[in-house]
Amino acid sequence: NAGVTQTPKFRVLKTGQSMTLLCAQDMNHEYMYWYRQDPGMGLRLIHYSVGEGTTAKGEVPDGYNVSRLKKQNFLLGLESAAPSQTSVYFCASSYLGLAGATGELFFGEGSRLTVL
Amino acid sequence: GQQVMQIPQYQHVQEGEDFTTYCNSSTTLSNIQWYKQRPGGHPVFLIQLVKSGEVKKQKRLTFQFGEAKKNSSLHITATQTTDVGTYFCAGYSGYSTLTFGKGTMLLVSP
Repeated sequence: NAGVTQTPKFRVLKTGQSMTLLCAQDMNHEYMYWYRQDPGMGLRLIHYSVGEGTTAKGEVPDGYNVSRLKKQNFLLGLESAAPSQTSVYFCASSYLGLAGATGELFFGEGSRLTVL
Repeated sequence: GQQVMQIPQYQHVQEGEDFTTYCNSSTTLSNIQWYKQRPGGHPVFLIQLVKSGEVKKQKRLTFQFGEAKKNSSLHITATQTTDVGTYFCAGYSGYSTLTFGKGTMLLVSP
C-alpha cells in the first residue's frame, strides 16, 4: 500500500530557482491538499483541490502554484523560491465524508525544502 | 475566518502521569479530528468526533467533543514514552477544508 507518495523528500534551492513537488495518491481520493509546516506554526494550508482539474487557495497561497491534471496527482510549484519558503511540505488526500464533510486526511511523509 | 486554538503548546510529563490537550474553535464545528505526529514523521489520523457531547476511547486515550460542538479535548492516562509527539486537532465547519490547531507537543521522560 503506497498511500500518499511525495517526491522529492529533500531539496536545497538557491533564491530565485524554481521547482515542483509531486504528490501521488493511489486511494482514488477526490480531495488533495498541500500544507507547509514551520516550527510553532502548525499545519498551514497552501492550496487544495476538490477534484481533477480544480484547485483553490488556502491560507498561505502566495508564491506557490498548483495543478491537478490527473485525479491521482497534485503538483506544487515554486516559480521563484525565497528563503521564507524554507519549510517542510506535506501533501494529503481525503475522500468525501459524511454530509459533505472532509474525511480523514492521509498524509505523505513530507518534503523538506531549504532555500538559501 | 474560522480559527482553532489549541493549548498548551508544549507539555513535559514524567512517564505514568496523565496529559490533556484542549482545542477551542471560534465557530461551531460539524466534526473534529485528532492527529498525532511523531518527531520527524507525518501526521497520522487518530479519531473523528461528530456528535455533540461525544466521548470516544482508544486504550489510554479519551477524546471528547463539547456539547456546543466548539471545543474538544484529548486525555492520555498514564503516559508512556511511546506517546511522545505533537497532537493536532482539526475542525470542519462546512467549508471544503479542515482547520488545524497549532498542536500540543508532548514530551515524556522515563
